[in-house]
Amino acid sequence: GENVEQHPSTLSVQEGDSAVIKCTYSDSASNYFPWYKQELGKRPQLIIDIRSNVGEKKDQRIAVTLNKTAKHFSLHITETQPEDSAVYFCADNNAGNMLTFGGGTRLMVKP
Amino acid sequence: KAGVTQTPRYLIKTRGQQVTLSCSPISGHRSVSWYQQTPGQGLQFLFEYFSETQRNKGNFPGRFSGRQFSNSRSEMNVSTLELGDSALYLCASSLGDRYLSGNTIYFGEGSWLTVV
Repeated sequence: GENVEQHPSTLSVQEGDSAVIKCTYSDSASNYFPWYKQELGKRPQLIIDIRSNVGEKKDQRIAVTLNKTAKHFSLHITETQPEDSAVYFCADNNAGNMLTFGGGTRLMVKP
Repeated sequence: KAGVTQTPRYLIKTRGQQVTLSCSPISGHRSVSWYQQTPGQGLQFLFEYFSETQRNKGNFPGRFSGRQFSNSRSEMNVSTLELGDSALYLCASSLGDRYLSGNTIYFGEGSWLTVV
């Protein structure tokens, strides 16, 4: 079945620095790649997504890049703030609304 | 407009019992999918329903089942509960109009199930 690998599992940065989380996927049919932020005890919240016909997408301090040839995509957060601290999940979608998730990255932003 | 609503939010069950969880999708959304989240296994897809039909199914035993009603509301049922079924069960909804993939998917707050 489909497999999504996510790295790193934990990431600690200083406030104001950038954070990068990387994911690789296995199914070449995947064509939708969302990123979710999950705070403790809360639901995963969609923060940005990218479709396979686009190589990069940006929304304020958050950007996502996609390399379909290499089957990897990355989340970039610039000028990190303490409220960015959470667990981030990448996912891919290759059938209906079935998402395959990466293992998650716990991001800690130190003030 | 209201988001994805799940009930109950918290519940405790005994091994061997069964449980039913409910999900109301965002208005206008026809696809509902269910996920299990545990510390050890992460977020795993259970199944997806679209227009009252199961469209995709994850790799879970037959004790896990679901259904969707004509108003798009969905329920999932777990029979003969095991300790390992303790988890956060998340419902997600989307328009579902793109069959192959590519629909934006939104999650509910989840139902926390503890099996003792």
